[in-house]
Amino acid sequence: EVQLLESGGGLVQRGGSLRLSCAASGFTFSSNAMSWVRQAPGKGLEWVSSIRGSGINTYYADSVKGRFTISRDNSKNTLYLQMNSLRAEDTAVYYCARVKSMAPTHDYWGQGTLVTASS
Amino acid sequence: QSALTQPASVSGSPGQSITISCTGTSSDVSDYNYVSWYQQQPGKAPKLMIYDVTSRPSGVSNRFSGSKSGNTASLTISGLQAEDEADYYCSSYSNTNTWVFGGGTKLTVL
Repeated sequence: EVQLLESGGGLVQRGGSLRLSCAASGFTFSSNAMSWVRQAPGKGLEWVSSIRGSGINTYYADSVKGRFTISRDNSKNTLYLQMNSLRAEDTAVYYCARVKSMAPTHDYWGQGTLVTASS
Repeated sequence: QSALTQPASVSGSPGQSITISCTGTSSDVSDYNYVSWYQQQPGKAPKLMIYDVTSRPSGVSNRFSGSKSGNTASLTISGLQAEDEADYYCSSYSNTNTWVFGGGTKLTVL
């Protein structure tokens, strides 16, 4: 059974940093690209960043480019999101999601972790 | 990376069919057959319902179907049931190796 478990969320001051983790199990982690998708309170879903299975290629939404860094440790089956220079508009539930093999869609999602950037 | 356009809300009675539209651009929906639909119940993570415009993951009811014409994709739910009440989001892969989501549609079963 595929499982994704996020951690690392919490309350952080605006301008501060936070690192999210996503522990994966139930599949060959290095075989799948992975993404972070966020949802601000009461709002819709927003794709944030993705990383290929090898970890070499990374992609970012314009809203986080230059501030957030996605990475992965395939030996630990873990996905990360380093978030710097946090803004109020970064406040959201952050989901990690698996990119389905051979189809650019997100087939499994974690339960999410809440990040609150507050003054 | 502009969001796809969805109606804010739709409603229907049990047993009826409803359709939710999702309008994109030539950078995403119209150029790629990579439109997905997600169902999100309150307080829960999104669940994949349709991918590659028309494909259903294992375990998803065949009451859910997808289609696309030009730059507009659609999700149809037939034989509406109370348990279908949820928020629905469309998503498309785009030409910049990124994804874009719609703003979401709240489905109310009357």
